[in-house]
Amino acid sequence: EAQVTQNPRYLITVTGKKLTVTCSQNMNHEYMSWYRQDPGLGLRQIYYSMNVEVTDKGDVPEGYKVSRKEKRNFPLILESPSPNQTSLYFCASSPRLAGGYFQETQYFGPGTRLLVL
Amino acid sequence: AQSVSQHNHHVILSEAASLELGCNYSYGGTVNLFWYVQYPGQHLQLLLKYFSGDPLVKGIKGFEAEFIKSKFSFNLRKPSVQWSDTAEYFCAVNAPRSSNTGKLIFGQGTTLQVKP
Repeated sequence: EAQVTQNPRYLITVTGKKLTVTCSQNMNHEYMSWYRQDPGLGLRQIYYSMNVEVTDKGDVPEGYKVSRKEKRNFPLILESPSPNQTSLYFCASSPRLAGGYFQETQYFGPGTRLLVL
Repeated sequence: AQSVSQHNHHVILSEAASLELGCNYSYGGTVNLFWYVQYPGQHLQLLLKYFSGDPLVKGIKGFEAEFIKSKFSFNLRKPSVQWSDTAEYFCAVNAPRSSNTGKLIFGQGTTLQVKP
């Protein structure tokens, strides 16, 4: 089944304790992205990647890192989490189409709910 | 900067009532428009999208949306809601392919509660 998976789905941690949220897609998509969802703010893009070893900042990158060593995986790293990073995180992916552009419709993972105490 | 605004943050309806959720965007050029739905505890799913052509688009589960270019709007409608439509609805835009970095810009979301 074509899908985007995230792990863990729920995480409670403490301030300053490094954590990684994994994202994996089995659709061979070039484009992957991380969003955070906060009440009243919708979803905001954190980082995105257009291909292996190609990453760039979104709108709210502070406090986050990403890496794209393999096409299928795009982990989100919080080196020193803080309470303001308590949020619901979504990973998304889309393929590159003929002509080099990315498909406009993105596929979303199930979300990771993070609580930083 | 591009932005998306959803006017209704929380909507409560009875079953069989008609639904219209407002969405306005600000962007100087051509955009692609989406409505996503998030059912309780589930991930985002695409309801419908508009890229070009007929401004009235039909999506899944009886939803439709109308793109009105002069008003920069893309309102979502359903003639008769069901209890199972209880969910959060997000309007989103991104740039067309020529300048597409892939980023979706989302509105704040509208929580729809349908009472049986």
